[in-house]
Amino acid sequence: AQSVAQPEDQVNVAEGNPLTVKCTYSVSGNPYLFWYVQYPNRGLQFLLKYITGDNLVKGSYGFEAEFNKSQTSFHLKKPSALVSDSALYFCAVSRTGTASKLTFGTGTRLQVTL
Amino acid sequence: SQTIHQWPATLVQPVGSPLSLECTVEGTSNPNLYWYRQAAGRGLQLLFYSVGIGQISSEVPQNLSASRPQDRQFILSSKKLLLSDSGFYLCAWDREYNEQFFGPGTRLTVL
Repeated sequence: AQSVAQPEDQVNVAEGNPLTVKCTYSVSGNPYLFWYVQYPNRGLQFLLKYITGDNLVKGSYGFEAEFNKSQTSFHLKKPSALVSDSALYFCAVSRTGTASKLTFGTGTRLQVTL
Repeated sequence: SQTIHQWPATLVQPVGSPLSLECTVEGTSNPNLYWYRQAAGRGLQLLFYSVGIGQISSEVPQNLSASRPQDRQFILSSKKLLLSDSGFYLCAWDREYNEQFFGPGTRLTVL
């Protein structure tokens, strides 16, 4: 079985400050890891993914995430937060291979204030 | 490029009425298709997934059913809606490396 934990229901950060949204996972074998963002009453938008290779993955809108195999983590980061980054963020994991379903975390609400 | 459509965008239905939500994908062939429900703006619950026409897997027992009559069409149905069926329904498809792409969603309110 695979699982994802997002330990923070909400993260608050001031605009211009760095942000981190935490994610840890559990999966047998090598993981595929994803981050999605959801704005109110919208579908999820893909931000970035880790498949293999470089542990630091860069994605859309200046976001990046670092894969840490020993800590089974895939934290989302951004050097300088914007008010427009305020949204709901989901981490997801799947097991390498075909037709493997994604397992999503419960989501972390990011609130960026002026 | 690939696009995914869902309709209707919003729906208000009385308890006991039938339901049909539609999802279509353009620009790809033989996608895996998924129905999720999101309650209270938080976690996603996978309801059904399909790897091909007529092939449906149900993840949780419930009042809903799904069908895939065409390669790029996925339908979520119910014969009699319950109050607990209210939520935000998301359709998604995926390609290589399980990267899923989501539709805009349908907000269902059962009264």
